[in-house]
Amino acid sequence: NAGVMQNPRHLVRRRGQEARLRCSPMKGHSHVYWYRQLPEEGLKFMVYLQKENIIDESGMPKERFSAEFPKEGPSILRIQQVVRGDSAAYFCASSPFGQVGQPQHFGDGTRLSIL
Amino acid sequence: ILNVEQSPQSLHVQEGDSTNFTCSFPSSNFYALHWYRWETAKSPEALFVMTLNGDEKKKGQISATLNTKEGYSYLYIKGSQPEDSATYLCAFFDNQAGTALIFGKGTTLSVSS
Repeated sequence: NAGVMQNPRHLVRRRGQEARLRCSPMKGHSHVYWYRQLPEEGLKFMVYLQKENIIDESGMPKERFSAEFPKEGPSILRIQQVVRGDSAAYFCASSPFGQVGQPQHFGDGTRLSIL
Repeated sequence: ILNVEQSPQSLHVQEGDSTNFTCSFPSSNFYALHWYRWETAKSPEALFVMTLNGDEKKKGQISATLNTKEGYSYLYIKGSQPEDSATYLCAFFDNQAGTALIFGKGTTLSVSS
């Protein structure tokens, strides 16, 4: 049973370009969470999605960032017009139910570097 | 602003030593506390999810306790082995703060053989 799959593992972009990060949850999981880890910081919640719905985007920057989890296919975190400060590790996690009494299963992350 | 504090930030022990670290969180509106183990170059792996005051959970040589009234959880490792070297994260869920898990920065454990 494959775990949470994130790709790419490493992504390099120049300032002003777009970055697309993909996350395929574990089989049977319909709840996806995105986290960001800035250098020397802990994991920070960004957004929680269920299939075709954004449940909580309170941790998402208001501009340039968006997320989706379509009926078919992976969840996508999209960053438009990237800036140096977007350089970070982005982690996706999934769970079968949207209850915080359930553990979350994490992917290996995407390391985004902005030149 | 809700904050989760973990201490110590890092710890170095010898193989066979027992050790413990602390996670502190706001005691009001508690809903759940998660512990994760994060090895270098791997993804965080869930150890425990604790919801009740006085909860004690155990997995092999690792155990955790929870005190929701005073806002802390302890993680214990009995007889540390080099393969226990990792960063241990705790994450707190507040009942009134939406759906976000709030993570501490972790305690990094290094076990020498």
